[in-house]
Amino acid sequence: AQTVTQSQPEMSVQEAETVTLSCTYDTSESDYYLFWYKQPPSRQMILVIRQEAYKQQNATENRFSVNFQKAAKSFSLKISDSQLGDAAMYFCAYRSSGTYKYIFGTGTRLKVLA
Amino acid sequence: DTEVTQTPKHLVMGMTNKKSLKCEQHMGHRAMYWYKQKAKKPPELMFVYSYEKLSINESVPSRFSPECPNSSLLNLHLHALQPEDSALYLCASSQVGSYNSPLHFGNGTRLTVT
Repeated sequence: AQTVTQSQPEMSVQEAETVTLSCTYDTSESDYYLFWYKQPPSRQMILVIRQEAYKQQNATENRFSVNFQKAAKSFSLKISDSQLGDAAMYFCAYRSSGTYKYIFGTGTRLKVLA
Repeated sequence: DTEVTQTPKHLVMGMTNKKSLKCEQHMGHRAMYWYKQKAKKPPELMFVYSYEKLSINESVPSRFSPECPNSSLLNLHLHALQPEDSALYLCASSQVGSYNSPLHFGNGTRLTVT
């Protein structure tokens, strides 16, 4: 069975600085998809970024980028120029090809310090 | 703007009550999901509907009864709940057949069982 691990329960970053959230996963599959979701106190889970396992190029979305290391089964999220609005719970998620099941990590709470 | 709308936002019910949670989306997604989320935990999958048919039931107790009347609506009927069922209930939708399609979440219903 696939598992997703987020080893940092909580992280802090100064406003305008850069922070990296880690995520590792365990799978024997070769075709899968990885996602980072953000859940602010307002409760709604919002997609931050996604990565297809068959793509070697790391995904980027404005200030958000990933470091996808397929062999190491690592999928870290880098947030550049952190803003107060980035404060939230961040969940890493894994989805196999051919299934509706998304496997979520335990989450990392990010605090942004002014 | 939230493209997946959940009502009500908050619900308090007794253990003998019957209530329903509602979810609506107009993105043309044909997969719809119910998740349960406890505080500071990741979402736990409960049910998945694909093309209005129940595709996944994660061994959820029968006091939770899902219904998908059409491609835009998803209901969760609640009956004889227990206090431990108090949680945030999240509805989500996604495209079918496109495995990099992310989940689109609603704002959730905060349920308290007294």
